[in-house]
Amino acid sequence: GAVVSQHPSWVICKSGTSVKIECRSLDFQATTMFWYRQFPKQSLMLMATSNEGSKATYEQGVEKDKFLINHASLTLSTLTVTSAHPEDSSFYICSARVPAGISTDTQYFGPGTRLTVL
Amino acid sequence: AQSVTQLDSHVSVSEGTPVLLRCNYSSSYSPSLFWYVQHPNKGLQLLLKYTSAATLVKGINGFEAEFKKSETSFHLTKPSAHMSDAAEYFCVVSDGKGRRALTFGSGTRLQVQP
Repeated sequence: GAVVSQHPSWVICKSGTSVKIECRSLDFQATTMFWYRQFPKQSLMLMATSNEGSKATYEQGVEKDKFLINHASLTLSTLTVTSAHPEDSSFYICSARVPAGISTDTQYFGPGTRLTVL
Repeated sequence: AQSVTQLDSHVSVSEGTPVLLRCNYSSSYSPSLFWYVQHPNKGLQLLLKYTSAATLVKGINGFEAEFKKSETSFHLTKPSAHMSDAAEYFCVVSDGKGRRALTFGSGTRLQVQP
């Protein structure tokens, strides 16, 4: 089946530093990837939609200058949390949508990245 | 606009007894509906999906869900719970149009007692 990986699985950083999280579709090409954020014991909240070769679409309330998204290829999207602060500590999950013609609405999720900002 | 309501934040069952996790949805379009499961500190695994074909959808690990348009429901069931079923379950709706973003329910934590 469709496999999505994330790297790193966890990261601890100091306040003020930047952290990059990678999301890869391993066995399919994904023109669209999504980034979600999940606080403890809460549901997933969509942060942004990442489109290959174009600018990401951010949800209302998500700072595009703080959460930089790059979708450089059909198998890789990156999320960079710039100048991270403790309130950015969260579980970040990406997903990739299977290309049209196969199953257009199904998204496959990565295992998540736990970010802790000290 | 679309939304999902999971009616129970927490469900506790005994091993071997049936599981029912309730979900109601609202969508302006013909929706696609999904159930995902998340084990602690893990990503999400797709259990099953409804995309306007058969209203009774069978998924992995013995789970199934029935799409009832008249009741705008998509409840998840399993005849007999296993200890390994203990996890967080999310009901999810896609509007089926445009970027097909997913809207997640608030989640239901399933606890399975021995």
